[in-house]
Amino acid sequence: NAGVTQTPKFQVLKTGQSMTLQCAQDMNHEYMSWYRQDPGMGLRLIHYSVGAGITDQGEVPNGYNVSRSTTEDFPLRLLSAAPSQTSVYFCASSYLGRRDEQYFGPGTRLTVT
Amino acid sequence: AQKVTQAQTEISVVEKEDVTLDCVYETRDTTYYLFWYKQPPSGELVFLIRRNSFDEQNEISGRYSWNFQKSTSSFNFTITASQVVDSAVYFCALSEATGGGSNYKLTFGKGTLLTVNP
Repeated sequence: NAGVTQTPKFQVLKTGQSMTLQCAQDMNHEYMSWYRQDPGMGLRLIHYSVGAGITDQGEVPNGYNVSRSTTEDFPLRLLSAAPSQTSVYFCASSYLGRRDEQYFGPGTRLTVT
Repeated sequence: AQKVTQAQTEISVVEKEDVTLDCVYETRDTTYYLFWYKQPPSGELVFLIRRNSFDEQNEISGRYSWNFQKSTSSFNFTITASQVVDSAVYFCALSEATGGGSNYKLTFGKGTLLTVNP
């Protein structure tokens, strides 16, 4: 099992550019989510999904879109990047109903200039 | 609303010292889950422990131990005989059990940076 994978590991964008952060898991987890980590802020939930075709907003969803067309993939889209979106992004997944640990990907460090 | 407070922003100790990382949480739910994650300098998040609200037994795993006290809403983490490899940011997190999919959300504390000096 590869677990949770994220690509790219690093990305630099100019203000206004768009991009997609990729997240995939091979554990057949129903629940997937995106967090951002900012210095001194801990991790905050952006969007989450409880299954293919179902997504919902977390704590800080503005400026981000998600979709879930398959169980395995949960991409995060930045439509028009802003410097405030400079952060480290983590994707996580887990089974529903078991309240086990959430498995985190290695993170994507994004800088918007 | 759920909230996690890690009042210690940074802690510095010398190797072999014991160190306790504090975590205080707030929730209205009677059923909830508490977690500790470690983030070493390499940046990944490493799961350490999960505890549900009905299990107040303390847990020990090697040099790590956790003290869960519902009466004080605390879930503290102690490292015994600390080592340089323990240097990391440690996060405490809370997940409530009611409310469907949104409550698989983890609410994280801001983290405690632990530095263990040789």
